[in-house]
This record gives sequence, C-alpha cells and structure tokens, in this order.
Amino acid sequence: AQSVTQPDIHITVSEGASLELRCNYSYGATPYLFWYVQSPGQGLQLLLKYFSGDTLVQGIKGFEAEFKRSQSSFNLRKPSVHWSDAAEYFCAVVPQTGANNLFFGTGTRLTVIP
Amino acid sequence: ETGVTQSPTHLIKTRGQQVTLRCSSQSGHNTVSWYQQALGQGPQFIFQYYREEENGRGNFPPRFSGLQFPNYSSELNVNALELDDSALYLCATTGPGANVLTFGAGSRLTVL
Repeated sequence: AQSVTQPDIHITVSEGASLELRCNYSYGATPYLFWYVQSPGQGLQLLLKYFSGDTLVQGIKGFEAEFKRSQSSFNLRKPSVHWSDAAEYFCAVVPQTGANNLFFGTGTRLTVIP
Repeated sequence: ETGVTQSPTHLIKTRGQQVTLRCSSQSGHNTVSWYQQALGQGPQFIFQYYREEENGRGNFPPRFSGLQFPNYSSELNVNALELDDSALYLCATTGPGANVLTFGAGSRLTVL
C-alpha cells in the first residue's frame, strides 16, 4: 500500500546537538517530497521540498534533507538544534500519478532540552 | 503572516449539528484544499477546489462539502457532526503554476 512512514513518534535532543528525522515512502514512482513544521496552535510551514535534481536540499531555518532513491527515504537534518526548533515535523508526498494533494506521515514531535 | 486566514479559530458543536468553516487567501490563489488533522495524526486530505469546482476528493463522506467563491475565499461544511469529526481543519491554497501549498493556522472543532 502507498504510505508515508515517520518511524519516530517523539525525539528529544539537547540544544546544540545534531538532529535527524526519518521519513520513508512507499510509492511506485518517486513522488514529490516535502517537510513541514507545525508549532503548537499553528498551521504548517514548509521547510523544504524535493522535486528532482540535486538530492541534497537546503531549506529554511538551517534545515536540509537528503533524498535517497535506493532507500525510499527523505530524512531531515540539522547540524545544531535551537530551543525554538521544538515542534511537530511532518514528512509529506505528492505522488506523480496526477494526484494533486499531499499525503502526510503521522509526524515526529521534537523536544529540545537545555 | 501566511496570507491564508481561517475562521473561527476554535468552536464547539454537539453531535448532529452542522458547521461551516471559512478560509480566505491571497488574490490569485485559485486552488484551495482542505485537510483534517485529528489529534496526534498527520493531516488528511478532504478535497480540493479549483476555479469554484471540486477538483479531487479524499476518503471523506458526502456530509463533508465545500464551496469556493470568486473572491478566493472558501468554505468547508460538515453536516450531521459526529464525535470523530473533532479535529483541526486546515485550509491550504496555491497560486497559478505554483506547486507548493500555503497553510492557514486552522480551525479547531470540538464535537461533544
């Protein structure tokens, strides 16, 4: 079945530590790939996206993500986490099947400790 | 400021009632999508409107309906509310030729 999987429900990191949030997808062809962030009481803000080309994508707030076709993954990374990064992070895809809507994973909640 | 405004921000209804949620977007954003985000879950696609016509629908029953207006505003209507309809409802828009959605902050609906 087609799906987007975020295996980590909750991650806790220390401020200044590095971060990697995992995302795997299961679609026949490589979909368009996105990472969104949601702070409490807020809507979704786009961090970065991948459509084609360079597999390492830079986003806002110092985030980057790497597309790995062989692993069907699109993991989000940040070298040094700030307390303000505490939020819920969602991986999402748009399948290249003519569909025009986003399919989201269940999210990873990030807690940052001092 | 995302350019997508949703109202109301919070509301409480009882089972069986009807609700209308509203969304307004930037001029030129002629595609609007609605998503339902249950607690602890990722958003799920309800439907999309383009130029005032429904242009795709997710796995939601017909009691979820929508409208899009010429002034780029839209509505999500839910009839015969059920307890499981309690969720954050997100509106997202995109402009011509764009392929990235801009989300509003959402309307949180509680059904008692």
